[in-house]
Amino acid sequence: ETGVTQSPTHLIKTRGQQVTLRCSSQSGHNTVSWYQQALGQGPQFIFQYYREEENGRGNFPPRFSGLQFPNYSSELNVNALELDDSALYLCASSLDPLAGGQETQDFGPGSRRQVL
Amino acid sequence: QKEVEQDPGPLSVPEGAIVSLNCTYSNSAFQYFMWYRQYSRKGPELLMYTYSSGNKEDGRFTAQVDKSSKYISLFIRDSQPSDSATYLCAMTDPTHDYKLSFGAGTTVTVRA
Repeated sequence: ETGVTQSPTHLIKTRGQQVTLRCSSQSGHNTVSWYQQALGQGPQFIFQYYREEENGRGNFPPRFSGLQFPNYSSELNVNALELDDSALYLCASSLDPLAGGQETQDFGPGSRRQVL
Repeated sequence: QKEVEQDPGPLSVPEGAIVSLNCTYSNSAFQYFMWYRQYSRKGPELLMYTYSSGNKEDGRFTAQVDKSSKYISLFIRDSQPSDSATYLCAMTDPTHDYKLSFGAGTTVTVRA
């Protein structure tokens, strides 16, 4: 297993609620990416954080937002939950982009979120 | 059309067989290619990484890339029941290497 940890592992929310997911990166990694994986699909890139700023974003609406902290850990926040937000949310960490090699990302176990 | 298309499967093979997994892609800017293995209810685990056309071997695994055809493959020799998992291809380009583009995954079952 990688050193990437995520919490909570599983949660159930209702439509319209807000949720925060947390991720701690692997030792030596300062870059964190978030992905959404719907059932039977590959992960879809949400955004990446580097030096506490958003470093790239996929095709997700603004109600998906994030943070990165000085210790490189990160949060994913989703407002106004919709039924289609039910998925496995994966966090991945990687090396500093300036050092190269950030295309190899180490994934955490995921947070499974169900929206009722 | 999706950027990355992966043979959907599922695949069921007897123990000891060769497993062949394939992906095609449409974005010619993709330069880095990866294969991830994902067990049920777990996060993806990096298996193979390559950036050049040709073959790369690691134990029972061989990754093959053909950039001219925009086609990548993963072969698993002497398959074991512990290889039963979903296999995901992923790729990225140097100017957007923060973002991995994944195939939908192929679920493989190796029967003892």
